[in-house]
Amino acid sequence: LAKTTQPISMDSYEGQEVNITCSHNNIATNDYITWYQQFPSQGPRFIIQGYKTKVTNEVASLFIPADRKSSTLSLPRVSLSDTAVYYCLVGDYVSSGSARQLTFGSGTQLTVLP
Amino acid sequence: EAGVAQSPRYKIIEKRQSVAFWCNPISGHATLYWYQQILGQGPKLLIQFQNNGVVDDSQLPKDRFSAERLKGVDSTLKIQPAKLEDSAVYLCASSLVAGGRDTGELFFGEGSRLTVL
Repeated sequence: LAKTTQPISMDSYEGQEVNITCSHNNIATNDYITWYQQFPSQGPRFIIQGYKTKVTNEVASLFIPADRKSSTLSLPRVSLSDTAVYYCLVGDYVSSGSARQLTFGSGTQLTVLP
Repeated sequence: EAGVAQSPRYKIIEKRQSVAFWCNPISGHATLYWYQQILGQGPKLLIQFQNNGVVDDSQLPKDRFSAERLKGVDSTLKIQPAKLEDSAVYLCASSLVAGGRDTGELFFGEGSRLTVL
């Protein structure tokens, strides 16, 4: 079970790029890295997923170094509405029906200031 | 596309009473998860279903919690008897299996907030 470690909180200003790093030192070969966003009184929402190198979608980029022991979520030009808790999740999605132990850590509270 | 539906949204009970939460996942999603989220903490996995079979219930307090997923669609999570420390949001999530592989993208419902007095 790959445990994740993230900063508890981060502050940023509108329009800046925000990078949130997650450590997962004992990540397994079949594990993928997924990031979620959660607003108060809502369930987490999928942001991005990757296995290695770099993945980009319309809202974020995910950077994963060669050793895969960490990953960085990059949010370009954040706005006030990006204020939320961000979770890094590591799990094996390769085998259908396998126990994935998809447990969230404490997450990072991102606060975007005007 | 309809999302994951959960009910009730809010429930207040006294300790030692029982409560049940219902979840309807996204149509076609074979994998269903129940999570418990205590205020200020990340979601904690309680149980994972694949269709109507239990894949992982290692973190489910089986002396008081039970869950079932009949016919591989809807699921119910029950707590009996409830304790004060069960006060939390109970989140249901589902994910799609395609080509023998789970996409790994969990879709969450809005959750059911339980308060135990």
